[in-house]
Amino acid sequence: NAGVTQTPKFQVLKTGQSMTLQCAQDMNHEYMSWYRQDPGMGLRLIHYSVGAGITDQGEVPNGYNVSRSTTEDFPLRLLSAAPSQTSVYFCASSSTRRGGTEAFFGQGTRLTVV
Amino acid sequence: AQSVSQHNHHVILSEAASLELGCNYSYGGTVNLFWYVQYPGQHLQLLLKYFSGDPLVKGIKGFEAEFIKSKFSFNLRKPSVQWSDTAEYFCAVGTGRRALTFGSGTRLQVQP
Repeated sequence: NAGVTQTPKFQVLKTGQSMTLQCAQDMNHEYMSWYRQDPGMGLRLIHYSVGAGITDQGEVPNGYNVSRSTTEDFPLRLLSAAPSQTSVYFCASSSTRRGGTEAFFGQGTRLTVV
Repeated sequence: AQSVSQHNHHVILSEAASLELGCNYSYGGTVNLFWYVQYPGQHLQLLLKYFSGDPLVKGIKGFEAEFIKSKFSFNLRKPSVQWSDTAEYFCAVGTGRRALTFGSGTRLQVQP
């Protein structure tokens, strides 16, 4: 079982560039989400999805887009990278089918915007 | 919207000392509660979880947590820490309607 797979693991962007962080899960989970982790701030929710074709904003959505065309994939797009988006990004998936919302995390993407 | 507070930002302990990390949440309805651990350079891993039933839950590596509904708390405990417990610990709340909400984390440093 691969679980949650994120690519790339590391990325350096120049200010103004765009890119897509990939996330895929093979657990047939209906929920998927993107977080960013910054020192002293924990994990902050960027966007999330409760199923294919359904997405919603989290706590810090500005500068990011998402789409959910399939159950498995939930890419995160940076439209025009800014230094403030330097962070570690985690994708997570979860299911409510077993009565709870335990999240499984990918390995993370460390993004630096210069 | 729910929120989570972790009051200890940085804890330094000697090996064999007891650990208690505080976590309080704000949400008026039914919650699922979690503690995650992040070892240096790694992703988050689940330590333990509470969905319902016995409010004292046991997790991996000797950790346990107690859900006190009246105090909106879910504190993490371990009787005797080891150097390998050095990591960052996150408390999280789920309400079943959206993604989890995390606290700001507690960095635990265990000195040999």
